[in-house]
Amino acid sequence: ETGVTQSPTHLIKTRGQQVTLRCSSQSGHNTVSWYQQALGQGPQFIFQYYREEENGRGNFPPRFSGLQFPNYSSELNVNALELDDSALYLCASSTNPHGLLNTEAFFGQGTRLTVV
Amino acid sequence: KQEVTQIPAALSVPEGENLVLNCSFTDSAIYNLQWFRQDPGKGLTSLLLIQSSQREQTSGRLNASLDKSSGRSTLYIAASQPGDSATYLCALEAAGNKLTFGGGTRVLVKP
Repeated sequence: ETGVTQSPTHLIKTRGQQVTLRCSSQSGHNTVSWYQQALGQGPQFIFQYYREEENGRGNFPPRFSGLQFPNYSSELNVNALELDDSALYLCASSTNPHGLLNTEAFFGQGTRLTVV
Repeated sequence: KQEVTQIPAALSVPEGENLVLNCSFTDSAIYNLQWFRQDPGKGLTSLLLIQSSQREQTSGRLNASLDKSSGRSTLYIAASQPGDSATYLCALEAAGNKLTFGGGTRVLVKP
């Protein structure tokens, strides 16, 4: 196990609703990145948080937002849910932001979101 | 824009056979390359991390090579076992604070 925990593990929401997913980073890690993985595809980068600030964002609309707390845990919020938001949401923690040093990313088990 | 491709998309081998999984990428300006394993519906387990200055990494039955000039990495799994059945993903770390993933290779090792 990596020490990265995500909650909840599964979630069903209705189109138009809002959802909050949570991630506790591994001890000693100050960087959390979020990824969306659609069925049968590789994960796609949503954004990264480093020391409570957003530190890079992928090609996702503003209704995808996040937070990082002083203990480096993080939340992913998605507003106005769409059917295509159904996916496995993964968070990864690391000791440094990607692109600095050679940083190994450790992933949680993911949250399976189904939008109906 | 970095593009990562994994071929084949799926692979089925008898137990004991060696596995060779390929990953190709378009931009050689990378910091490192990481191989992951993913079991159905689960998160990602890191297998090997190859730094940009390295040519290969080994862990037990796993060996991964990196050739930046040709934009290729190969993951070798020796003497495959049914427990090796999973999806294997390669991911590149480059500028922009993100990992860029391939689509994965789904492996089935038959007893």
